[in-house]
Amino acid sequence: SAVISQKPSRDICQRGTSLTIQCQVDSQVTMMFWYRQQPGQSLTLIATANQGSEATYESGFVIDKFPISRPNLTFSTLTVSNMSPEDSSIYLCSVANGTVGEKLFFGSGTQLSVL
Amino acid sequence: AQSVTQLGSHVSVSEGALVLLRCNYSSSVPPYLFWYVQYPNQGLQLLLKYTSAATLVKGINGFEAEFKKSETSFHLTKPSAHMSDAAEYFCAVRRSGGSNYKLTFGKGTLLTVNP
Repeated sequence: SAVISQKPSRDICQRGTSLTIQCQVDSQVTMMFWYRQQPGQSLTLIATANQGSEATYESGFVIDKFPISRPNLTFSTLTVSNMSPEDSSIYLCSVANGTVGEKLFFGSGTQLSVL
Repeated sequence: AQSVTQLGSHVSVSEGALVLLRCNYSSSVPPYLFWYVQYPNQGLQLLLKYTSAATLVKGINGFEAEFKKSETSFHLTKPSAHMSDAAEYFCAVRRSGGSNYKLTFGKGTLLTVNP
């Protein structure tokens, strides 16, 4: 299994500011993902973090709002930019491992509240 | 495209009773199917997965699920509920094979276990 450390675990931010969330994995992994879990909702994939290239964003998510970095195979960051109260959610880092990426593991999440 | 429907946003059982959480999926290609559990203030933990091997899959904590293609279902069961099983459970689907590891999640089922 992969151990994922995500920081911060929670934050309260002001409207218009930005927050960067860090995801550190204890081993090299092929695929890293960022999910959002809005209050009372299921998880929605924001983007796939690609090592050495631009992230691949899902429909409804754009790089200007959610810039992602992945400088190596064990680390990624997600920035939530120009925040509004609608961005209040849990943001989760996930990694895929296994021979066909069937093993997916999640970090404990970052609970973000925007005032 | 894949989708998941979890029937019942909230299931309540007595300790020692059978747990049955329902999941139906839609997929245009053979799927991989997953059940995740989320305990309060924690990240998601993989309970079990179906990746086209045995249709009856056993997971952690005494849970199991059966893949039924004819019914497009992947219901989660446990013969005897324990208080520690109280959590939110998510069913998820992705395409089998290839390098697209995107998961589509259901909306979740909150399991309450009564003493």
